[in-house]
Amino acid sequence: KQEVTQIPAALSVPEGENLVLNCSFTDSAIYNLQWFRQDPGKGLTSLLLIQSSQREQTSGRLNASLDKSSGRSTLYIAASQPGDSATYLCAVRPGNTDKLIFGTGTRLQVFP
Amino acid sequence: EAQVTQNPRYLITVTGKKLTVTCSQNMNHEYMSWYRQDPGLGLRQIYYSMNVEVTDKGDVPEGYKVSRKEKRNFPLILESPSPNQTSLYFCASSFGLAGLYNEQFFGPGTRLTVL
Repeated sequence: KQEVTQIPAALSVPEGENLVLNCSFTDSAIYNLQWFRQDPGKGLTSLLLIQSSQREQTSGRLNASLDKSSGRSTLYIAASQPGDSATYLCAVRPGNTDKLIFGTGTRLQVFP
Repeated sequence: EAQVTQNPRYLITVTGKKLTVTCSQNMNHEYMSWYRQDPGLGLRQIYYSMNVEVTDKGDVPEGYKVSRKEKRNFPLILESPSPNQTSLYFCASSFGLAGLYNEQFFGPGTRLTVL
């Protein structure tokens, strides 16, 4: 059974730092992996989608990498800003199902 | 504006009183799904639908029903709600699971409390 883990559960950093959020999954047979952002009391916003054949995707200050064989993905945030404060979730789509399996998220706080 | 809408956003009800949470998308997406989010458990899929009249169970379908009579709508039905269904519910949609355009779009969430 596919399990998705995100470490750390919470992270607090000063503005301007580059930071890395981690996501690991137990079964490497995935179709794709997606990173989301969730603001308090709101829905999820898709940040980056990486297909299983890709190794990374970039959008602005965000870069997500995927290492299928080791079951890991990282989300790199460059020059963090207070507006980046949110919970970041990763989700994998197992290759043999029509589901998304979510991690429990990393709650990020960027202070001025 | 492309979006997924849910109603109501907040609902407090009592055990056993049937309720429906509506979900609608305006992006002509084939795939729609419902999740619930609970502290420490993350998001878990309840039901999903690949297209009109095609639905299937997710990981936690017990106590829920869905229907997909139109492409844009995917209501979640709780026939006899119980307190353990108190949760934050999200509807999501995408063009499908295969290909490039399977990014998931989420609604704003419905916070349900069952007393």
